[in-house]
Amino acid sequence: SQKIEQNSEALNIQEGKTATLTCNYTNYSPAYLQWYRQDPGRGPVFLLLIRENEKEKRKERLKVTFDTTLKQSLFHITASQPADSATYLCALGTSGTYKYIFGTGTRLKVLA
Amino acid sequence: DVKVTQSSRYLVKRTGEKVFLECVQDMDHENMFWYRQDPGLGLRLIYFSYDVKMKEKGDIPEGYSVSREKKERFSLILESASTNQTSMYLCASSLPLVRGKISLAKNIQYFGAGTRLSVL
Repeated sequence: SQKIEQNSEALNIQEGKTATLTCNYTNYSPAYLQWYRQDPGRGPVFLLLIRENEKEKRKERLKVTFDTTLKQSLFHITASQPADSATYLCALGTSGTYKYIFGTGTRLKVLA
Repeated sequence: DVKVTQSSRYLVKRTGEKVFLECVQDMDHENMFWYRQDPGLGLRLIYFSYDVKMKEKGDIPEGYSVSREKKERFSLILESASTNQTSMYLCASSLPLVRGKISLAKNIQYFGAGTRLSVL
């Protein structure tokens, strides 16, 4: 069955370091992959989208890579700040469908 | 900015009650979605709608129904609430994949703040 895995354990890093979050998937051929940020008690907020034919996407301090051979996406936050502390969700979608499958999210805590 | 508004942030209901969760979006989006989010299970799609009066079942539709009488409003109905429906409910909206001949294939979902429902 289709499966998306994100590290369920919280990731703690020191302020200023680069945070790297992982999204692995199996039995799925996504056309798109998205990353969302979710703060406690709030809905997810879209951050970045990367297509299957793109290797890397950047937006300010954020970088996403997409390796369809490894079936993996990496999400990087450089020069991390305490305000980056949140849960980050990946979501996979295929062409021609409205549906996305979400991972369970990884909680990031940036320590001052 | 896109705004997706859910009518309640917190709800407490009794087992067997009929529960209505309302969602309104102000960006003229064709697609609207209802998810529930549970620890360790992530977001799971209950129903989605791609047009007024159109709906499709998601992955976990049992025990739920939906209504979309107007483009901007999508309601989730729990016909007879049960304790296993205690959860965080999230509404989302998005543009269609294609509008006319133009591909809008980003399918970014805009979420509401969520309704935390407790069924006692």
